[in-house]
Amino acid sequence: NAGVTQTPKFQVLKTGQSMTLQCAQDMNHEYMSWYRQDPGMGLRLIHYSVGAGITDQGEVPNGYNVSRSTTEDFPLRLLSAAPSQTSVYFCASSYSNRVGYEQYFGPGTRLTVT
Amino acid sequence: AQSVAQPEDQVNVAEGNPLTVKCTYSVSGNPYLFWYVQYPNRGLQFLLKYITGDNLVKGSYGFEAEFNKSQTSFHLKKPSALVSDSALYFCAVREQAAGNKLTFGGGTRVLVKP
Repeated sequence: NAGVTQTPKFQVLKTGQSMTLQCAQDMNHEYMSWYRQDPGMGLRLIHYSVGAGITDQGEVPNGYNVSRSTTEDFPLRLLSAAPSQTSVYFCASSYSNRVGYEQYFGPGTRLTVT
Repeated sequence: AQSVAQPEDQVNVAEGNPLTVKCTYSVSGNPYLFWYVQYPNRGLQFLLKYITGDNLVKGSYGFEAEFNKSQTSFHLKKPSALVSDSALYFCAVREQAAGNKLTFGGGTRVLVKP
């Protein structure tokens, strides 16, 4: 299994540009989520999905959109990039959203907005 | 609202000495606690979790953690640290009252010196 994969690994955007961060998992996991990691702040939840066709907002959803048309894929769209969105983005998946299940993380995408 | 605190930004330890990384949590119901490790330029890897049962939980790479309900703590320990344990460690909590969302602490950097 490839696990959780993310593309691209690095991206530089200009303010106002849009882009999509890709995330895929091959473990048939029900739950997928996006986090951003900023120094000293741990990881903060952006959006999550409990199954195909179902998404919901996390702690910091503004400026981001998601959709989940298949079990495998969960892309994150930046609508109009801002310097405050400079961060490292991680996608994660879990067999279930129930509390006892750990999440598996992708390698991350490092995004810089100038 | 649930929260996690990791009071030390960095822990320095000599190789072969015991390693402890501290974590305290706040939840309104029963906590489900996790430890993750992040090596440089990598995603997070699951180390161990506490769901219920024994207060001492054993995980990957020789790590263990002790759940203490009265002190609301879940400290990560390793009896004999290796240089290869140098990484960023995150404590996280989930509870049903928070919609099963995973909340992370700010992270603790561990540096093991030869």
